[in-house]
Amino acid sequence: DTAVSQTPKYLVTQMGNDKSIKCEQNLGHDTMYWYKQDSKKFLKIMFSYNNKELIINETVPNRFSPKSPDKAHLNLHINSLELGDSAVYFCASSQDFGGGQPQHFGDGTRLSIL
Amino acid sequence: RKEVEQDPGPFNVPEGATVAFNCTYSNSASQSFFWYRQDCRKEPKLLMSVYSSGNEDGRFTAQLNRASQYISLLIRDSKLSDSATYLCVVNIWGSQGNLIFGKGTKLSVKP
Repeated sequence: DTAVSQTPKYLVTQMGNDKSIKCEQNLGHDTMYWYKQDSKKFLKIMFSYNNKELIINETVPNRFSPKSPDKAHLNLHINSLELGDSAVYFCASSQDFGGGQPQHFGDGTRLSIL
Repeated sequence: RKEVEQDPGPFNVPEGATVAFNCTYSNSASQSFFWYRQDCRKEPKLLMSVYSSGNEDGRFTAQLNRASQYISLLIRDSKLSDSATYLCVVNIWGSQGNLIFGKGTKLSVKP
């Protein structure tokens, strides 16, 4: 049973396109996250949702728009893709957004912009 | 100064060796600490939480020194399967679950 699942696993597309990445967790967690890991392997948070409500929005271009239809899903839509968006995007979830909670990660979406 | 700093390595060690990783964090309001492991082209996975009293899980021992803002991970009797990047992670009080990741220390265990 996959706890946190993301689709697609690989995404290759051209500059200027719009794409979405989906994420679902079956752990019953209240909080979900999106992270970006760039070519230098640095993992940085982008967004966090708790019970469908946005609680963290780091400095991310507004071309990136998360959507949480319910607490088990957090999708990421990206408009007008740019070369610099090439990275691995990880979805994660935790029981809640209390500080002591470890996070469980999906296996990543590798986005390549041509 | 980076929020979470680690020696990037790589650490190349023979099987059976003991290896220690260090990590420092800059924000004294950090309240929760973790070590994650990330294999090449895979997702980060929680290795262990780090408690003030120090904690051990099999061959792995984690320690926290709040006064020095320093976290360590000791791996005894290294196995080939321990080869991975080890990420030091902190959570800052009031940051609503926002985990700050270090860049990771790469470990390569050789036969």
